[in-house]
This record gives sequence, C-alpha cells and structure tokens, in this order.
Amino acid sequence: AQKVTQAQTEISVVEKEDVTLDCVYETRDTTYYLFWYKQPPSGELVFLIRRNSFDEQNEISGRYSWNFQKSTSSFNFTITASQVVDSAVYFCALSAAYSGAGSYQLTFGKGTKLSVIP
Amino acid sequence: DTEVTQTPKHLVMGMTNKKSLKCEQHMGHRAMYWYKQKAKKPPELMFVYSYEKLSINESVPSRFSPECPNSSLLNLHLHALQPEDSALYLCASSRGTSGGRNTGELFFGEGSRLTVL
Repeated sequence: AQKVTQAQTEISVVEKEDVTLDCVYETRDTTYYLFWYKQPPSGELVFLIRRNSFDEQNEISGRYSWNFQKSTSSFNFTITASQVVDSAVYFCALSAAYSGAGSYQLTFGKGTKLSVIP
Repeated sequence: DTEVTQTPKHLVMGMTNKKSLKCEQHMGHRAMYWYKQKAKKPPELMFVYSYEKLSINESVPSRFSPECPNSSLLNLHLHALQPEDSALYLCASSRGTSGGRNTGELFFGEGSRLTVL
C-alpha cells in the first residue's frame, strides 16, 4: 500500500520569508514517481514537479526547490522569498511507475495550506 | 491557462435532475480521469479512461456515469444525486504509457463545482 504524509496542515508566513513544506511517503514499489501540485483558491491543481525514484538530484526552479531523500523517504518543497501569490494548498503525491492500463493512480497527501501574509 | 477545459464551472441541481459535466483536452493525451474533491480534502479518484476504454472504476455509485466519446473528450453524467455528492469535480489527463511504464504527469482542469440541493 502507498501512503503520503504531509504533517503540516496549515502554515502562515510573512512575505519574503522562506518556507519548507514537508512530505514523507511509503511505498513497496522500487520504481515510483513523486509529485507536487499547487491548488489556488480557483480550484485547479497546478503541476509543479515530478521526480523519479532513481533520480535523487535536488532541483531548483526559480524560487522553488525540492529536496528528495530516498533514505528518509522524504520529498520536501521549499519556497524562497515567499510571495502572496504563493498562498494555496500544496499537495504531495506518489504513484507507481508501472501501473498498467495506461494510467496513473496517484496517492495524495492531505495537503498543506500555505498562507503568505503581506 | 490550463489545457484541460471543464464545463460548467458551477452547477446547481436538484436530486431528480439529470446533468452532465464535460472535459476536453487537446494535448494528445490518452488517459483521462475524473476526481472528486470535498472541501479541505485531497482529490479522490473516481474513474480512469485509458485509450478511450474505462480501465478503473473506484466503486463509484451508479448515479455517476462516465463516458469517453473520443480521446479528447470525457463526460460525467449525473442522475439522482444526493446532497453529499456536492463537491469539486476535477478532470485530468496524462500521456499514458509506453512499454507499460507511465510516461507523464497528470494535468488538471479548473474543476466543476457541483451543488446538489
């Protein structure tokens, strides 16, 4: 069985602060994918990143960075110099790399609501 | 802007009504999904269509009926719903698989917010 835990339910930061969103996962698959999605109040889930289980390189994209540590089964997400527009619910998700039937089955964490205060 | 388009954005219906939610993508994706999301909860998978065939039904009540007329379109027909079915319904698509291996992430639409009175 797969499981994704986002222990932080809600986080509030002041604009320009850095913030890290935690994600811990459990899976028996040897090959899997990890994702982060952003859900602003409008409702759409916006894809941010996909990380393959065999690639432990950290990634940086502008103000966003991701730290994948297989040894601790964690895939944390850091926003540097946060902005009000970063306010949203952020979901970490996991899927097996081989799901068959031509489809993904994503296991989502419960989400972390980030509020960036001006 | 999302490349997965959902209509309508908002829908209010009575328990005896019949309505449909529509989803369209033109990214050439071969897998399409319906998710249901209640407030302050993560999305829950309802149905998956792969290459226009229903491949996953997560034990969804028959009052929800999916349809995939072609590779770009996905419908969700609603009939005799209950107030507890009120939720945000999200459509998503992904590229599909190559050699049994998933090849792409899911792209979501903005959702259809359904209220059942």
